[in-house]
Amino acid sequence: DIQMTQSPSTLSASVGDRVTITCRASQSISSWLAWYQQKPGKAPKLLIYKASSLESGVPSRFSGSGSGTEFTLTISTLQPDDFATYYCQHYNSYPWTFGRGTKVEIK
Amino acid sequence: EVQLVESGGGLVQPGRSLRLACTASGFTFGDYAMSWVRQAPGKGLEWVGFIRSKVYGGTTEYAASVKGRFTISRDDSKSIAYLQMNSLKTEDTAVYYCSRAFYDTSGYYFDYWGQGSLVTVSS
Repeated sequence: DIQMTQSPSTLSASVGDRVTITCRASQSISSWLAWYQQKPGKAPKLLIYKASSLESGVPSRFSGSGSGTEFTLTISTLQPDDFATYYCQHYNSYPWTFGRGTKVEIK
Repeated sequence: EVQLVESGGGLVQPGRSLRLACTASGFTFGDYAMSWVRQAPGKGLEWVGFIRSKVYGGTTEYAASVKGRFTISRDDSKSIAYLQMNSLKTEDTAVYYCSRAFYDTSGYYFDYWGQGSLVTVSS
């Protein structure tokens, strides 16, 4: 199985900060990676697919990059609504696996 | 508007069975694969399994942790996906999310999610 390692597990930031979350795959997954945002008690929401494609309706301050084994999710200017937990997920091969999540907290 | 609504969760004893349903609306259900993802209390997301659309054979794939115990099926006439869970274990306790799986050349990602249904396995 392909393991997805996210870092950091927790990130403290302020409104207006630029935030970067990293996701590493245990083997190459080409660009078959998605990013999700989850708020407490809510379902996850798709942000990015195919490593860098922005889902319709998602603010442009979110961006994704990377290929192979290393990927990043960047929030260019952190907004109050962005405090949440973020997960990466590969869909290169079965079983699809998620990273363990990165919680973005208010500093 | 795409909507996915899960139902059927609850408290069940270890070793027993439970069936979850995911009722879809706002899109042509038969054209899409559907997936189940679970989240144990305070933990991360775990993919459970999925079912392809009939165009792609309607076949299924499962995570190793549930293979042989869980079965996913679909009724395209009713726009419902099911998750039949047998031989339940305490470690199956989680919120179970239904999601629409969007095909992207190599695999699928999850573009819409339901609100989740809590399954508690306890004696």
